[in-house]
Amino acid sequence: GAVVSQHPSRVICKSGTSVKIECRSLDFQATTMFWYRQFPKQSLMLMATSNEGSKATYEQGVEKDKFLINHASLTLSTLTVTSAHPEDSSFYICSALTRDSSYGYTFGSGTRLTVV
Amino acid sequence: GESVGLHLPTLSVQEGDNSIINCAYSNSASDYFIWYKQESGKGPQFIIDIRSNMDKRQGQRVTVLLNKTVKHLSLQIAATQPGDSAVYFCAGVSGNTPLVFGKGTRLSVIA
Repeated sequence: GAVVSQHPSRVICKSGTSVKIECRSLDFQATTMFWYRQFPKQSLMLMATSNEGSKATYEQGVEKDKFLINHASLTLSTLTVTSAHPEDSSFYICSALTRDSSYGYTFGSGTRLTVV
Repeated sequence: GESVGLHLPTLSVQEGDNSIINCAYSNSASDYFIWYKQESGKGPQFIIDIRSNMDKRQGQRVTVLLNKTVKHLSLQIAATQPGDSAVYFCAGVSGNTPLVFGKGTRLSVIA
């Protein structure tokens, strides 16, 4: 089936630095990817929708200048957390829209970001 | 239901018993619904889905029931095993819009 590879799985960074998270679709083309954030013991919250070759669409309350999304190819979308602060510490998960038997949504394994 | 950001309710089940996890949804326009399982530190894993024109669908050890009248979904897991311990989310889908997750339920299996 469709696989989305997300990297890194864990990252620790200092306050004020930037972190890039990558999601790659393996063996299929993902024209659309979704980025979610999940705080401990909470549900996944949609941050933005990323479409290949166009600007991402951000959900209300998500700062587009802080969470930069790039979807320059059909197999790669990146999320860059800029000038990270401790409150940005969270679990970030991407999802690619596919056409396999699971009706279209394949998730990455997530990235645990800790800002110190 | 499909509101997000709330702390997770917990369901504790004895190993071997059946589990029933419930979900209420708000969007009547959803074309289909999906149940996901999320283990600690991992991304959601597809379990089973059901189209909005169906009432019931069965998989291996799992059954999903859909009641559109009261906008309610349930996931039944037969003979629950320790490996079933996880957080379970329902999500409604309309077209190619992003999944909106319910608040989830943590299933704890007691050996």
